[in-house]
Amino acid sequence: QITLKESGPTLVKPTQTLTLTCTFSGFSLRNSRVGVGWIRQPPGQALEWLALFYWDDDRRYSPSLRHRLTIIADTSKNQVVLTMTNMDPVDTATYYCAHIMITYGGVPEKDAFDIWGQGTEVTVSS
Amino acid sequence: QSDLTQPRSVSGSPGQSVTISCTGTSSDVGGYDYVSWYQQHPGKAPKLIIYDVSKRPSGVPDRFSGSKSGNTASLTISGLQAEDEADYHCCSYAGSYSFVFVTGTKVTV
Repeated sequence: QITLKESGPTLVKPTQTLTLTCTFSGFSLRNSRVGVGWIRQPPGQALEWLALFYWDDDRRYSPSLRHRLTIIADTSKNQVVLTMTNMDPVDTATYYCAHIMITYGGVPEKDAFDIWGQGTEVTVSS
Repeated sequence: QSDLTQPRSVSGSPGQSVTISCTGTSSDVGGYDYVSWYQQHPGKAPKLIIYDVSKRPSGVPDRFSGSKSGNTASLTISGLQAEDEADYHCCSYAGSYSFVFVTGTKVTV
């Protein structure tokens, strides 16, 4: 059974750097076609894809936030960490991590975020 | 990367059908058959209900169906039930192993 859980601060000040950790179980990031993504949702608004870390160490970022985001993984701890610099009140949101399997090398997969964590709320305020 | 567009809300009576559209561009929805749909109840995490445009994960009722024509994907809920009242989000592969989400649509029963 695949599970993911986000952890991190609930409150950060403007200009600070946010660090969020996604701890997962039930799969390995060393397995081909596996990825872990971060998605956020401001209160009452839509989901926004932020970043993805893939099994082959490839990392992908939202073009609009690329300059502020870094995603890394510690496969020995089954964790994926997202950092976002220069936080602003508009970054107040629930942040989710999610599992994905992508089609690669001719092997079809869902290419969708099939298992999600419960989310963690982050407020940016002084 | 495009901004996909969706209507903000739709409503229907129990038993009726509703269809939600998701309009993108040839760089995302129109360019790949990797459109997914997520159902989100208030205070809960999103749940995958459709992937690869029209496929349902195990356990998702067959009253949920997906389709695509050109740059527009659609989600149809047939035989609307009270528990279908939720927000629905469309997501598309956007090339280079990246993705884009759409403004959610609230379905009211």
